[in-house]
Amino acid sequence: TQLLEQSPQFLSIQEGENLTVYCNSSSVFSSLQWYRQEPGEGPVLLVTVVTGGEVKKLKRLTFQFGDARKDSSLHITAAQPGDTGLYLCAGGTGTASKLTFGTGTRLQVTL
Amino acid sequence: GAVVSQHPSRVICKSGTSVKIECRSLDFQATTMFWYRQFPKQSLMLMATSNEGSKATYEQGVEKDKFLINHASLTLSTLTVTSAHPEDSSFYICSARELTRDYGYTFGSGTRLTVV
Repeated sequence: TQLLEQSPQFLSIQEGENLTVYCNSSSVFSSLQWYRQEPGEGPVLLVTVVTGGEVKKLKRLTFQFGDARKDSSLHITAAQPGDTGLYLCAGGTGTASKLTFGTGTRLQVTL
Repeated sequence: GAVVSQHPSRVICKSGTSVKIECRSLDFQATTMFWYRQFPKQSLMLMATSNEGSKATYEQGVEKDKFLINHASLTLSTLTVTSAHPEDSSFYICSARELTRDYGYTFGSGTRLTVV
């Protein structure tokens, strides 16, 4: 069974602070996606990384896929209250395969 | 962009009754759809993979007779929770894979099921 462990599980920070969320597994994935989910809604895709060592930036968010494609990180610079939500990583083993979701990181950004 | 519509968004039903949840891909065809369950403050757990025109593939521990999945067309999959009990209360989410995009998974907005 493939497992994706995220850390931390919960993070409460003030506006303007930086943070990093980690997603780790003992399994190799061909792709790694990051989603953000708000209460009562479905997850919304933030980014897909597919190459070991790949780094992608989305405004204040930086995503990295580990060289061995077993882990990933999400770094948020100067967090804002609008970043509040549940962040989920999800690994896939092919372009059409089912996704394995990580355990989730709940982020709360306060003023 | 790709849109997946899930209906209803909320449903309350009595114990012992059945509830059907629909998942539609509005602007693309999806040969494969996925059904997830999410408990409060937890991550998504894959229940089954729904394949158009064939039987669904259920994850280990998921009762196929309790969670009936039908994927009769390229744009519609349904999940029926049969003989629902309070422990079936949960947030159910579907996703559809867009054929023309690698890694193109789009999620519905979820269905909050409460069994009383």
